[in-house]
Amino acid sequence: EVQLVESGGGLVQPGGSLRLSCVGSGFTFSLYSMSWVRQAPGKGLEWVASIEKDGSEIFYADSVKGRFTISRDNSKNSLHLQLNSLRVEETAVYFCARVLEGSTRDYWGQGTLVTVSS
Amino acid sequence: SALTQPPSASGSPGQSVTISCTGGSGDIGFYDYVSWYQQHPGKAPKLIIYEVLKRPSGVPDRFSGSKSGKTASLTVSGLQAEDEADYYCSTYAGSRGALFGGGTKVTVL
Repeated sequence: EVQLVESGGGLVQPGGSLRLSCVGSGFTFSLYSMSWVRQAPGKGLEWVASIEKDGSEIFYADSVKGRFTISRDNSKNSLHLQLNSLRVEETAVYFCARVLEGSTRDYWGQGTLVTVSS
Repeated sequence: SALTQPPSASGSPGQSVTISCTGGSGDIGFYDYVSWYQQHPGKAPKLIIYEVLKRPSGVPDRFSGSKSGKTASLTVSGLQAEDEADYYCSTYAGSRGALFGGGTKVTVL
């Protein structure tokens, strides 16, 4: 059974940093692109970043470019998102998702909540 | 949102409801990579349609997808109480990554 489990969320002050992690199991992690998608309270889904299976290509939404860094460690079946210079409006549940061809996200984790507040 | 969805839709049990998702010539109008996700409150999104009209294993055939030009559509036939949820469309947008619609809340009357 494919499973994705996120961790690392929490309360952080504006301008602060946080590192999110996602561990995959039940599939060969290194064969899939992965991504992060966030959802602010009561709002819709927003794509944040994606990384190719070997990390050779990385893409970011314009809103997070230069502040967030996506990375992966295929030896540990893990995906990470480093969030720097966080803003209040980036309070959201952050989901990791497995990505198929054409940006289809076929499996999602349960999400981890990031709260940016003073 | 980059993709436009109606905020709400509704139907009685057994009826059909169709949700539209409108993009542009550089995304929905160019790629056959439209996917749809169902999300119940407090839960993660679940893939129900991919590549415009394909259904993942385990998704009932009551869910169907289509596309015409820059607009994709999701139809839920034979509405059931458990279909009440938020539905999001998404598409591949080349170097812009992935685009999502704003979501449509489906209510079963």
